[in-house]
Amino acid sequence: GAVVSQHPSRVICKSGTSVKIECRSLDFQATTMFWYRQFPKKSLMLMATSNEGSKATYEQGVEKDKFLINHASLTLSTLTVTSAHPEDSSFYICSARPPSGRANNYGYTFGSGTRLTVV
Amino acid sequence: DAKTTQPPSMDCAEGRAANLPCNHSTISGNEYVYWYRQIHSQGPQYIIHGLKNNETNEMASLIITEDRKSSTLILPHATLRDTAVYYCIVRVGNSGNTPLVFGKGTRLSVIA
Repeated sequence: GAVVSQHPSRVICKSGTSVKIECRSLDFQATTMFWYRQFPKKSLMLMATSNEGSKATYEQGVEKDKFLINHASLTLSTLTVTSAHPEDSSFYICSARPPSGRANNYGYTFGSGTRLTVV
Repeated sequence: DAKTTQPPSMDCAEGRAANLPCNHSTISGNEYVYWYRQIHSQGPQYIIHGLKNNETNEMASLIITEDRKSSTLILPHATLRDTAVYYCIVRVGNSGNTPLVFGKGTRLSVIA
């Protein structure tokens, strides 16, 4: 249980286009989800906190107009990379926390990640 | 900013115990120690967490020093599939929805 599904797993897009990444909690409701970005051989960097029914909270240095986050339901958050450029190429990962009391999972569950390549 | 310090890399022979250290000298009384690992090109996987007592589950053991300023993750019988980057994270509380902040982690290579 406590599965987070992320789609697509990899995407290649042309410079200037937009790409949408979906993050779904499959067997639990998540009022909050988190989006991370990871460059090769680097650690995960928190980009933003996605809040169901309200605006996302972005970390310092993350452009909110470029990385649009929508958390329209308790099981789905989307990250849209707008007007993508090669420097946006990265591994994007979402995370959510199951409600307290879920057996064997007091931590956060992560999606499998989306590798974005902008050409 | 991450509040932990880990060695950048470690090697371990297959079948032997892997002991991964973590320093968290500024940990507060209400902060837990969490361990996650990330296998190449996958999302992080939860391993174990603890407050002050040693903990064990089917994946690993977590040894926390009495002063709580450091801890060690132990994989009792490492296999090639345990090759990954291991992250030690301190976080306030055991509930709520504050995000995990990742440091640089330790890249563990299990060698046949």
